[in-house]
Amino acid sequence: QQQVKQSPQSLIVQKGGISIINCAYENTAFDYFPWYQQFPGKGPALLIAIRPDVSEKKEGRFTISFNKSAKQFSLHIMDSQPGDSATYFCAASYTGTDKLIFGTGTRLQVFP
Amino acid sequence: EAGVAQSPRYKIIEKRQSVAFWCNPISGHATLYWYQQILGQGPKLLIQFQNNGVVDDSQLPKDRFSAERLKGVDSTLKIQPAKLEDSAVYLCASSSRRQSSGNTIYFGEGSWLTVV
Repeated sequence: QQQVKQSPQSLIVQKGGISIINCAYENTAFDYFPWYQQFPGKGPALLIAIRPDVSEKKEGRFTISFNKSAKQFSLHIMDSQPGDSATYFCAASYTGTDKLIFGTGTRLQVFP
Repeated sequence: EAGVAQSPRYKIIEKRQSVAFWCNPISGHATLYWYQQILGQGPKLLIQFQNNGVVDDSQLPKDRFSAERLKGVDSTLKIQPAKLEDSAVYLCASSSRRQSSGNTIYFGEGSWLTVV
């Protein structure tokens, strides 16, 4: 119940394309869903986050789509760039704690 | 604003030896976390401090791992004795507790441990 399942494990996209990463959860007590971006040799950094009272959140080229009934959420990267090449982690936490449960990560490679 | 500082960045030790990692969180952040990230996996919380008190250490292997945050600022994570499966990146993170949940967690660059 504490797991967050993430797919795909790796993703190769051409420059300008759309990258889509999916996550699913079981625990309905989760109420905060962030996405973290991690470059090699660096710590994860918050990219964008959503709460379950909205179905979509957009920040620049990055969009989170959230489906509460299906207990799924996804990250869409529009107009993917080589600089977006990194590992992306979805995560979840619930009210009263900032403890993050991370997915297993998706390694994104964007080729020019 | 300075980020989360960690040291050492890299450490290689033999199994059964001990190692200690140090972390200085972002100034003013009351909450400090230690996460373990094994290669190819997502970070896993080991311990969470609120000021100098432990909030959650349910996934800390207490027979070999210990952590302290004596003055509510910087923290030390110790492993003794180390096992091969402890090879991982140890990430320190911090957050300010402005709301009941969803506070942004800021990570350091990590301390890379290899146990041989």
